[in-house]
Amino acid sequence: DTAVSQTPKYLVTQMGNDKSIKCEQNLGHDTMYWYKQDSKKFLKIMFSYNNKELIINETVPNRFSPKSPDKAHLNLHINSLELGDSAVYFCASRRTGGSHEQYFGPGTRLTVT
Amino acid sequence: QQQVKQSPQSLIVQKGGISIINCAYENTAFDYFPWYQQFPGKGPALLIAIRPDVSEKKEGRFTISFNKSAKQFSLHIMDSQPGDSATYFCAAPSGAGSYQLTFGKGTKLSVIP
Repeated sequence: DTAVSQTPKYLVTQMGNDKSIKCEQNLGHDTMYWYKQDSKKFLKIMFSYNNKELIINETVPNRFSPKSPDKAHLNLHINSLELGDSAVYFCASRRTGGSHEQYFGPGTRLTVT
Repeated sequence: QQQVKQSPQSLIVQKGGISIINCAYENTAFDYFPWYQQFPGKGPALLIAIRPDVSEKKEGRFTISFNKSAKQFSLHIMDSQPGDSATYFCAAPSGAGSYQLTFGKGTKLSVIP
């Protein structure tokens, strides 16, 4: 009964490849997020998305794109991977109109070689 | 754009002591200021949050003190325990009408026996 789940947990790939990370939440939330946590533990918002609006942090390269097949899923697609993309990526969700608490997934550690 | 400054970067406290972590923010679109706790290999989880219609909120050994005029808030952990050893993040709303949070850079707390 995991609230926010991500797959895979670990992802090792080579530069130039395209990869996806999947996120699912079973909380009935309508807003989802992607965060990047670098090696210094800095947690930075990449996207927030609800059914009506996608907000993209201006520093995110357009090689990154969120895709939401339905309200419970927000996947992250990354094209032409670079060494600097190596990080832990967290998905989170929140119920709009409720408390502002965000529920985080367990993270996906991406290593680009 | 919201800026959140968190200090110290790391903190070592003896078991039973008081841990204090500070945060300063620049702008507020709405008033909600959370602290998240992250254990190694896990996603961040909400620890405690405050809406600054009050100056202090206490939950067990954890207290948030809020100074709206100074745009600062702090986390106090009383009777710190080794199990409190984790990275702590403060956060503040990112901007007007936004449901994004801007996180501080984190404080790694080590509680030694």
